[in-house]
Amino acid sequence: QKEVEQNSGPLSVPEGAIASLNCTYSDRVSQSFFWYRQYSGKSPELIMSIYSNGDKEDGRFTAQLNKASQYVSLLIRDSQPSDSATYLCAVKVAGNQFYFGTGTSLTVIP
Amino acid sequence: NAGVTQTPKFRILKIGQSMTLQCTQDMNHNYMYWYRQDPGMGLKLIYYSVGAGITDKGEVPNGYNVSRSTTEDFPLRLELAAPSQTSVYFCASSQGLENIQYFGAGTRLSVL
Repeated sequence: QKEVEQNSGPLSVPEGAIASLNCTYSDRVSQSFFWYRQYSGKSPELIMSIYSNGDKEDGRFTAQLNKASQYVSLLIRDSQPSDSATYLCAVKVAGNQFYFGTGTSLTVIP
Repeated sequence: NAGVTQTPKFRILKIGQSMTLQCTQDMNHNYMYWYRQDPGMGLKLIYYSVGAGITDKGEVPNGYNVSRSTTEDFPLRLELAAPSQTSVYFCASSQGLENIQYFGAGTRLSVL
């Protein structure tokens, strides 16, 4: 069974700090990796996608992928109260199937 | 630009009733997906489609059926509703090598 594991949190950080979110996955043939943000009562929206080992930066967000360790992370720099949400890690495997983690709840304290 | 549209937004069903959740996308995406999300949980894939006329089971297909007669539409059918199907249902579509999924606003379903 393919699994995607995330710490459920809640994770609390002060405004302006760095928030670090982690995700591990069990399927070694996983192809693509995604971070989605989900506000309460809303649908997921894409934050970052990453496909190869290393770091990928987009504004205040950095995704890190280590396929050997089956680990993907998301760093949020200069965290803002508007970043308070649940962050979902998703993994795409062969055959266009996606597996999601249970999400990490992040609260940014003003 | 509408993106992915789901109807209805809310629905209450009695045990044993049937209903169809509608999903339409206007982005000409080949791939479409149905997920369910239980409280405090991640999304579980119910069914997906890689193009018109092609569907396949995901992680949790039991109790559901789908069809894909056109590129735009991907309805999800519940034949005999059970309390275990109380959940929020999301439809998504994607395209291209990156396969980034775009989600609809969701349907909140309660089976009582």
